[in-house]
Amino acid sequence: EPEVTQTPSHQVTQMGQEVILRCVPISNHLYFYWYRQILGQKVEFLVSFYNNEISEKSEIFDDQFSVERPDGSNFTLKIRSTKLEDSAMYFCASSEDGGEAFFGQGTRLTVV
Amino acid sequence: AQTVTQSQPEMSVQEAETVTLSCTYDTSESDYYLFWYKQPPSRQMILVIRQEAYKQQNATENRFSVNFQKAAKSFSLKISDSQLGDAAMYFCAYRRGPRNTDKLIFGTGTRLQVFP
Repeated sequence: EPEVTQTPSHQVTQMGQEVILRCVPISNHLYFYWYRQILGQKVEFLVSFYNNEISEKSEIFDDQFSVERPDGSNFTLKIRSTKLEDSAMYFCASSEDGGEAFFGQGTRLTVV
Repeated sequence: AQTVTQSQPEMSVQEAETVTLSCTYDTSESDYYLFWYKQPPSRQMILVIRQEAYKQQNATENRFSVNFQKAAKSFSLKISDSQLGDAAMYFCAYRRGPRNTDKLIFGTGTRLQVFP
């Protein structure tokens, strides 16, 4: 069964460092999303992406964040200069027609 | 702005029994989708069930069913014949209708424990 794949599963980084979280959406899907979940809290929307551009972004998604679909299969989230409060589980999701979103298994980001 | 509220931080149920998780939402939209996602200890988000607002019939997926009350803006999840593997966090989520890029808005979750 097709699935959304995220790498790495766990990333530890020093404060101030750049990190890139990678996602391979389901191959025929056209809509892509990043969400994050701070430990013990609810899942929050970061950004949606369609037709090679950002469709919507939340107020969390500030200038430190960027997304890219570099090669037609990967979908990446970059955090330029990580802060302690960026520690969270980051979920990538994709959707064929915008109706049902399939989530990856998440990347746990720990900023130390 | 749309909001989703889950008023039960924790629920418990005995194996083989039935449990209902509550969810209410607020929106001024008439066209939207509602979802229940399960998050086991592995932290992956798994879609359990989906309901389109324009459908009057309640969605059902095997042991999982919903009670969708559009006028009351209520969307509860019923799990019948509970199994140990049902233990997880359950998140209710809302998505606005026609624009396909619209985001999911999640509630704060309900932790379900299943006792043998």
